[in-house]
Amino acid sequence: SQKIEQNSEALNIQEGKTATLTCNYTNYSPAYLQWYRQDPGRGPVFLLLIRENEKEKRKERLKVTFDTTLKQSLFHITASQPADSATYLCALANFNKFYFGSGTKLNVKP
Amino acid sequence: GAVVSQHPSWVICKSGTSVKIECRSLDFQATTMFWYRQFPKQSLMLMATSNEGSKATYEQGVEKDKFLINHASLTLSTLTVTSAHPEDSSFYICSARDHSGRDRNIQYFGAGTRLSVL
Repeated sequence: SQKIEQNSEALNIQEGKTATLTCNYTNYSPAYLQWYRQDPGRGPVFLLLIRENEKEKRKERLKVTFDTTLKQSLFHITASQPADSATYLCALANFNKFYFGSGTKLNVKP
Repeated sequence: GAVVSQHPSWVICKSGTSVKIECRSLDFQATTMFWYRQFPKQSLMLMATSNEGSKATYEQGVEKDKFLINHASLTLSTLTVTSAHPEDSSFYICSARDHSGRDRNIQYFGAGTRLSVL
């Protein structure tokens, strides 16, 4: 069965630095991959989508890469701010099914 | 962007009672909605896919008689947890896709419902 791995340990960084989160997957060939932000007790909020034929996608301070050979996506937040502190989930999708990783908690310290 | 409203946000009930959770797409029509369950510090687990006007498609291991899903209109899906027990306590989240929108592959999530069964 498909497996999606995100670092379960929290990522602690200093304000202004670049945060990099990793999403690895096995036994799957997704048509596209998405990143979501989830705050405690809330539903996920969509951030970025990248398709299998795209290498990189940017949106303001966010950047996502997608390497289908390595089966890995990297999610970058540049010039991080304390308000960026949250759990970030990656989701793989094909046809009508979505599979989520367990998320990585990001703590940005002032 | 597309907005999904989920209600209630928090519910406490006694064991043996039924609880209904509503999921509405406010500014778009959703032919397909999804219901997830999430335990603390764990991933979202897809429970079922709700299809407007037809029966829901349940994931393996999810009891369809326990978790009743109704998708009577293009903007409303409901999840009813029947005869709830403490082990049903969890965070339930719905989502919907805007098939007429610019990007049909994005899921828009509700704020979630925290269910506590005493």
